[in-house]
Amino acid sequence: AQSVAQPEDQVNVAEGNPLTVKCTYSVSGNPYLFWYVQYPNRGLQFLLKYITGDNLVKGSYGFEAEFNKSQTSFHLKKPSALVSDSALYFCAVSSASGGSYIPTFGRGTSLIVHP
Amino acid sequence: EADIYQTPRYLVIGTGKKITLECSQTMGHDKMYWYQQDPGMELHLIHYSYGVNSTEKGDLSSESTVSRIRTEHFPLTLESARPSHTSQYLCASSELLGMQFFGPGTRLTVL
Repeated sequence: AQSVAQPEDQVNVAEGNPLTVKCTYSVSGNPYLFWYVQYPNRGLQFLLKYITGDNLVKGSYGFEAEFNKSQTSFHLKKPSALVSDSALYFCAVSSASGGSYIPTFGRGTSLIVHP
Repeated sequence: EADIYQTPRYLVIGTGKKITLECSQTMGHDKMYWYQQDPGMELHLIHYSYGVNSTEKGDLSSESTVSRIRTEHFPLTLESARPSHTSQYLCASSELLGMQFFGPGTRLTVL
């Protein structure tokens, strides 16, 4: 079975400071990793993904994430946070297990960027 | 334009009513999903489909049913709505490797 852990329910950061939203995963075989963002009363929007290749993945809105196989982590980062980055962030993992590629989501982390 | 649509966006109904939440996508994706999400909370997978005539139950037990007669259409039906069904319902579709595209959601309130 595959699983995702987002250990922080909420992350607070000041505008202009770097931010990190943590994600660790457990999966059989090669992981396919994703970050999504959700603004209030909206569906989820794709931010970035890791399938294969470079461990550092760059995505939308200046976000990036680093795949660390030994630590089974895929933390989301941004060098300089904006107030508009305040939202709910979800990490997800899928794999070829059983041929299904059905994603498993973390519980979500609320990011609050203070002016 | 490739997109995924959900209707209605908001629905308030009385207990015992039958409702269908619509979801359509124009991207030609074989996989489609329904999630239930209380505001600001985690996603719960309730149904998914690998393609036409394929439907599977997800991790969260649900009294709803789904059908997949056409690739682009994946409606969810509640035969008799109850207040416990009050939630947001998100539809998604995906490519093979699981990257998903989400609709805007339907906010359901059952009185």
